[in-house]
Amino acid sequence: QSVLTQPPSVSGAPGQRVTISCTGSSSNIGAGHDVHWYQQLPGTAPKLLIYGNKYRPSGVPDRFSGSKSATSASLAITGLQADDEAEYYCQSYDSSLSGYVFGTGTKVTVL
Amino acid sequence: EVQLVESGGGVVRPGGSLRLSCAASGFTFVDYGMSWVRQVPGKGLEWVSGINWNGGSTFYADSVKGRFTISRDNAKNSLYLQMNSLRAEDTAFYYCARVAMIGNWFDPWGQGTLVTVSS
Repeated sequence: QSVLTQPPSVSGAPGQRVTISCTGSSSNIGAGHDVHWYQQLPGTAPKLLIYGNKYRPSGVPDRFSGSKSATSASLAITGLQADDEAEYYCQSYDSSLSGYVFGTGTKVTVL
Repeated sequence: EVQLVESGGGVVRPGGSLRLSCAASGFTFVDYGMSWVRQVPGKGLEWVSGINWNGGSTFYADSVKGRFTISRDNAKNSLYLQMNSLRAEDTAFYYCARVAMIGNWFDPWGQGTLVTVSS
């Protein structure tokens, strides 16, 4: 029942750039609510990667960047590395549901 | 170090109850709202419930409304989730997460506790 739509998977060679889209609607991203991104390595809890659409918490490399426009957002990973292999989720708030919503998740594979 | 540690997961029969706990340390617990997020093994994340700093406001996903109750004890730096009338589809890892002071993001997350609803 995810409200935000992401591609199931993206892949790239080491050093390449990949992007992950997050598509919402007029009740969440389109309503002006911020988008946040999480990285979940296998067997671990999610970790905050990007908050407020484009800001990185301390310790997150600048290879990760976020952007938002209209009813969608994107996460870009440049200089892809083997340890970037993980599941990535976007998250926002939905005014109609009066609750937080997550994206469907995207598996990033490093070829 | 900011830390959240969940406990209380286990195996329960359909229709049964379970109470999850989350012990917080390394920050001023009373300053923050908190949430529970769950994840069916191998699937995506689903926000379950949230509570404001003093417990005066609580919020639930439609999927658990009327069955789950979130609460907190600021004197014990603890968050709770009382789960009643459990169903097979409630089987998941349950994570507690701190809600940012100035925004709607979750950081950090606990390590999670597994709840299995099965006969």
